Amino acid sequence: DAGVIQSPRHEVTEMGQEVTLRCKPISGHNSLFWYRQTMMRGLELLIYFNNNVPIDDSGMPEDRFSAKMPNASFSTLKIQPSEPRDSAVYFCASSFSGTGDTEAFFGQGTRLTVV
Amino acid sequence: GESVGLHLPTLSVQEGDNSIINCAYSNSASDYFIWYKQESGKGPQFIIDIRSNMDKRQGQRVTVLLNKTVKHLSLQIAATQPGDSAVYFCAEGLNYGQNFVFGPGTRLSVLP
Repeated sequence: DAGVIQSPRHEVTEMGQEVTLRCKPISGHNSLFWYRQTMMRGLELLIYFNNNVPIDDSGMPEDRFSAKMPNASFSTLKIQPSEPRDSAVYFCASSFSGTGDTEAFFGQGTRLTVV
Repeated sequence: GESVGLHLPTLSVQEGDNSIINCAYSNSASDYFIWYKQESGKGPQFIIDIRSNMDKRQGQRVTVLLNKTVKHLSLQIAATQPGDSAVYFCAEGLNYGQNFVFGPGTRLSVLP
């Protein structure tokens, strides 16, 4: 398996534009997580899905952020409109949640710069 | 999230020495803990985990110790190598890790 795949790797956009980040989890995993990483706040959980259903979105900063998981192999995180303070590295991770080990495997991340 | 800013704790060790990285977790109800390693430009990578019913777990060159009384977790790396240089995060979770909370991280620098 190629691991968790995120695209794009880098995104530079102007303030006010819509940004869509994409994630393909590891095949067979049933949990998917979106994290944001900044120097000031470290790694923050934004939202996670279990069996394609959003379970906890309390980490989503505001209504400008939305996430979807239409099927088990794809998820998107959308920011509309984007602002400079959204600049960060966004990670997607997936895991298999059951009764055994459930560590999350991370993608390479998308570095977002909003100018 | 917790504040990191420019004050990320840094641990410098000589190559070949043992490293100990510490982490204080916040939730006494957390039942699952993981150490991750993050190299520059990459996503966090799983190193080792431990459940709350254990106080020690060993892997290859790494040992995790859990002290629930003081809510403290440590990662020991034996014979530290240059490839170990990275930022190390502890993460705590509940109910088989459905909602991980990450610590602020510690930067490990291995000196030649």
